[in-house]
Parts: sequence; structure tokens; C-alpha cells
Amino acid sequence: AQTVTQSQPEMSVQEAETVTLSCTYDTSESDYYLFWYKQPPSRQMILVIRQEAYKQQNATENRFSVNFQKAAKSFSLKISDSQLGDAAMYFCAYRTRYIRDNYGQNFVFGPGTRLSVLP
Amino acid sequence: DGGITQSPKYLFRKEGQNVTLSCEQNLNHDAMYWYRQDPGQGLRLIYYSQIVNDFQKGDIAEGYSVSREKKESFPLTVTSAQKNPTAFYLCASSIGTASYEQYFGPGTRLTVT
Repeated sequence: AQTVTQSQPEMSVQEAETVTLSCTYDTSESDYYLFWYKQPPSRQMILVIRQEAYKQQNATENRFSVNFQKAAKSFSLKISDSQLGDAAMYFCAYRTRYIRDNYGQNFVFGPGTRLSVLP
Repeated sequence: DGGITQSPKYLFRKEGQNVTLSCEQNLNHDAMYWYRQDPGQGLRLIYYSQIVNDFQKGDIAEGYSVSREKKESFPLTVTSAQKNPTAFYLCASSIGTASYEQYFGPGTRLTVT
């Protein structure tokens, strides 16, 4: 079964600085998707960025970018020019590309990293 | 505006009572999901549905039940058999289970005393 690990329960960053959140995962599959979701204090889950495993190019979405290291099974999120509105829980998630009968393992979330942004 | 609504935002119940959480979407998505979120843990899948009148158990289905009588609606019932029901519950939907992206509702915080 796939697992997702986020080794940093909490992190903080100064406003306008850059921060990197870590995520590692374990899988025997070669084709899959990876995501970063943001959950602000409102608790609404918001998709930040996604990466297809077959793409070597790292995904970028405005101030958010990822460092995808497939061999190392690592998927870190970099937030540049941090803003107060970036303060939230960030979840790394893995999704298999191919549907199986036992769907329970198709979408796996890490435990989250709480990011604080200091003014 | 298209989206997913969950009601109510906060729900309080006495132990031993069944309670139903609402989830409605107007995105015309086929697939819908229920997750449970506990402090310090990621989301855990309770039930999912790929199509009307069909649903499958997720990783932690014991003590929960669902129905999918309409495409737009996927209510979750937390039964008295659920040993630790106090949690934050999130509903999500996607175009299909093959779709790689899920859209989430605002969640319901259930407290059972």
C-alpha cells in the first residue's frame, strides 16, 4: 500500500521569504499523480499544485513550485515571497493513475504540515 | 456559482444518536467522496460513489452509511455504532474516479457528547 510522509508537523517563515515543505512517499507504481493541498483556518481544502509522475518537468503555479525527485520518491513544495494568506495546513497527497477494484488506496494523504507566516 | 456545499458547519449530538451530514454539489460530477479528518492525521476515506445508486467502502467505513439517490447528493450517516464519531468531515467530488483532481466542500465539524 502507498504511504505519504510529511516529516515537518510545523514550520514558520518570515513574510516575503521562501519556505520549502517536505513530502516523501512510498509506492511500487511507476505512474501516478502527486498533489499539494492547502487547508486555511476556514478548513476549505484548496488544490495548490499537481504533478504527473511521467513528466520530468517540475510543476509551477505562480509563487508555488515543486521539486519532484521520482527516484528518491520526494515531492517538496516551495513557496516563494510568502504572504500572510499562505498560513495554513498543507497536505501532500498521492493518487494512483489506474483505478483498481479496491479503491481505498487510490488517494492517500500525508498528515500535514502547519505553516505559520510571521509578519 | 458551482461548488460543493456541506451543512451544517457545526453539529452536536448526544451519544447513541444517529446523525446525517449533508453534501450537495452542482458541478455535475459523477464521483463523490466522504473523508474524515482528525488532528495530526491526514484525510481518511470513509465511502465513495462513482455513480448514482452505487457506492463503495473506503478505509474506515465501519459505523457509517451513505446513499446516492441523486447525482447531486451524497449524505453520510454517522451511526451509534461508530465508536469515536467526533471529527471533522469533508465531502469531495470529481468528474469521475479516473479524474485526477478532487474538489472539496467546506466541511462539517461533528461533536458527540
